[in-house]
Formats: sequence, C-alpha cells, structure tokens
Amino acid sequence: DAKTTQPPSMDCAEGRAANLPCNHSTISGNEYVYWYRQIHSQGPQYIIHGLKNNETNEMASLIITEDRKSSTLILPHATLRDTAVYYCIGGLPPSNTGKLIFGQGTTLQVKP
Amino acid sequence: DAGVTQSPTHLIKTRGQQVTLRCSPKSGHDTVSWYQQALGQGPQFIFQYYEEEERQRGNFPDRFSGHQFPNYSSELNVNALLLGDSALYLCASSLVGTAPYEQYFGPGTRLTVT
Repeated sequence: DAKTTQPPSMDCAEGRAANLPCNHSTISGNEYVYWYRQIHSQGPQYIIHGLKNNETNEMASLIITEDRKSSTLILPHATLRDTAVYYCIGGLPPSNTGKLIFGQGTTLQVKP
Repeated sequence: DAGVTQSPTHLIKTRGQQVTLRCSPKSGHDTVSWYQQALGQGPQFIFQYYEEEERQRGNFPDRFSGHQFPNYSSELNVNALLLGDSALYLCASSLVGTAPYEQYFGPGTRLTVT
C-alpha cells in the first residue's frame, strides 16, 4: 500500500473552493486513490476515488497528476457542514479485498 | 434503507473484562470490516468477515476475535480488556465484487476501559 502524506490542517472560507492535497509518490500503476472524510462523532464517509483520470461526483472532484504521485480533492463550494477530517488513501489494487489504511488525514475547518 | 447500525453506542468496562460489540451491515451488503480508532488517530483495520469467515486481519492480538452470522451481521469480541483498548470501534460494510473500497461506516461504539 502506498504511503500518503497530507497537511495536518487547512482552513477555508465558506462558499469558497477547498483544495485538499495528497502526496502518494510510491503508488503503483494499477493502484487507486480513495478519499474519505469523517465529521466529528461520526463514522468515515466515502467521497470519491480515482485511478488516472480526473473524477467528479455530487460531492467533490478529484484531480490526479499525470505522474500519479499526487492528487487534490476539491470541494467546489465549501459549507460549514464540510468541516471534517479528510483522509487520502492510496495504493489500493483492484485485487485487494477492501482493507483501508487510514493515516492522520487533514482537518479542514470551514469558517463563516 | 437502513445504513450500518452498531450497538451499543457507549459502554464502560473494567480492565480484564470481556466485551462484545455488534454490527448490522447496510442492506444488501455481505462483507463487514471492523476498525479501531483511538482518540486523535485515524481508524486502524482490525479484521474483515465475508461468508462467515475471517478473510483478512490487521495487526491486532488474538484477544480480538469476531464472528459473522448468516444474515451478514457481525460481532467483535475483545477479551482481557486493557486500558489501551479504549477507543471508538467502527464497523463498515461493503459488497464483494462491487467497489470494495466504497465502505459504509456505522456511527461506532465508544468503549472506555477503566
């Protein structure tokens, strides 16, 4: 499993885009990048995942660099409810059975 | 559609005691994973159950054991509790063969060992 590096904390103004970076320089060619978030006192919530191409869903966008060594999760219009710990999980091959390895994550504080 | 449910919400145990935590997966899911989350840390994988068998295990001692029932619900048992077992225990469910990493987590059980 690829080791990921995330900044411990970030702030974002409400209504602005939140861009959360993640380095996963040891990721292999067939390994996915997953993002989860954990709002205080709740279980983690799946956000999005990707392999090579940029991905977008109703929650966020995921931008993966061409060399796949890093990615950025984008929350286009952050709200106070997006305040949470965001986890980038890298290096999950298709053959894996779904064991998630969480690091420390990035604590995003959305401010009014 | 009920999501993942866990019981109890909180419990307090004494060192040396045994505890059983319960989890009901999201409807339609067949795989249950358990995680331990210490305060201020990310969740740590304990083990995963599929078809009533432990399929994968993290770096946890044998004091941690589990079970999955025919209806896919699961139990986590911890024997000889230590103070360091105090944590939030999370259950996550998924469906084999379809996006296994898209796991749905329950709200967790907060275990305090005194």
